[in-house]
Amino acid sequence: DIQMTQSPASLSASLGETVSIECLASEDIYNNLAWYQQKPGKSPQFLIYYASSLQDGVPSRFSGSGSGTQYSLKINSLESEDAATYFCLQDSEYPYTFGAGTKLELK
Amino acid sequence: EVQLVESGGGLVQPGRSLKLSCAASGFTFSSFPMAWVRQAPKKGLEWVASISSGGGGTYYPDSVKGRFTISRDNAKSTLYLQMDSLRSEDTASYYCARHGDTLDYWGQGVMVTVSS
Repeated sequence: DIQMTQSPASLSASLGETVSIECLASEDIYNNLAWYQQKPGKSPQFLIYYASSLQDGVPSRFSGSGSGTQYSLKINSLESEDAATYFCLQDSEYPYTFGAGTKLELK
Repeated sequence: EVQLVESGGGLVQPGRSLKLSCAASGFTFSSFPMAWVRQAPKKGLEWVASISSGGGGTYYPDSVKGRFTISRDNAKSTLYLQMDSLRSEDTASYYCARHGDTLDYWGQGVMVTVSS
């Protein structure tokens, strides 16, 4: 099974700052990597697919990059609504696996 | 608008069965593979099952293989998850998800609690 190691587990940042979240796959996942945002009591919301393609309607301050085994989600100019937990998902092969999540807190 | 609405959750004793349903609307259900994903309380996400658009292909992780069965009725635009031999570790919110470019649309989730 492909293991997804996500870091950091949590981070705290101020409004207007830029943050990055990383996901490291245990083997090449050929850009088959998605990012999700989840707020308490809500289902995950899809942000990015195929490592860097932004879902329609997602603000352009979100961006994804990476290849091979290393991927990252970058959020520019943080806004209060960005406070949430973020997960990565590899759907390169079964079993699909998620990162453990990164809880983003706004100061 | 894509909508996925899960139902069928609840409290069940260990070893018993439960069947979840997911009613889909707003897209051509028969054209998309579908999946179930679960999330234990205060925990991360775990993929539980996937099914091809026609229903002929099904996929499971080892944690549920042989106990859970995913199925679909394309005429009713409904996805199912039959869960047998339930264990306490199956306690979670269960989400159905459409597999477009990835797991793109998710339902609001339904809670399953396995406890005596």
